[in-house]
Amino acid sequence: DVKVTQSSRYLVKRTGEKVFLECVQDMDHENMFWYRQDPGLGLRLIYFSYDVKMKEKGDIPEGYSVSREKKERFSLILESASTNQTSMYLCASSPPTVYNSPLHFGNGTRLTVT
Amino acid sequence: AQKITQTQPGMFVQEKEAVTLDCTYDTSDPSYGLFWYKQPSSGEMIFLIYQGSYDQQNATEGRYSLNFQKARKSANLVISASQLGDSAMYFCAMREEGSTLGRLYFGRGTQLTVWP
Repeated sequence: DVKVTQSSRYLVKRTGEKVFLECVQDMDHENMFWYRQDPGLGLRLIYFSYDVKMKEKGDIPEGYSVSREKKERFSLILESASTNQTSMYLCASSPPTVYNSPLHFGNGTRLTVT
Repeated sequence: AQKITQTQPGMFVQEKEAVTLDCTYDTSDPSYGLFWYKQPSSGEMIFLIYQGSYDQQNATEGRYSLNFQKARKSANLVISASQLGDSAMYFCAMREEGSTLGRLYFGRGTQLTVWP
């Protein structure tokens, strides 16, 4: 089974802090994704990556950056955390566009910025 | 414009009854795939079922089936014989063949509550 692991289940940070959310997958997937989930808004794509050091902006990249130094690890960075970034963050991975392949998700990180 | 629309924020169903969760989609790509995920209160996203745009038959997986009406651009999830453990948030999602890197577009979700 594919395993996607997010390093923290719950995180509380202060406004202005630099925050790192880590995600590791063990299936040698090329594609990795960061989504943000908010009530009533569903899942919105922040950034995604198709290879080491490659990244693409999603729909809501403002205030975020990402890092992919190794194939199995995809980090989401909040450069200066703000209260409107309080949310559930979901990491996912998939093989290179296999058409019917679902995304495999981690268990999520619930981030609170105070 | 929303690529995936789920018009039911919440649905209630009695145990052992069937329930239909609505999903409509918007794409001009002739080739696409539709996915449904379940998210229990624990937060994990569980993949349930997939339907390809060229599939002739509706997809089924156990108690889950997908009522795919291509001309109407709808892909409703049908859960038969509901169980208390089916209470969760359900998300419909779409991948367009021409989309970048196989990203999925998600709807806003439907919260299903199954009561005894």
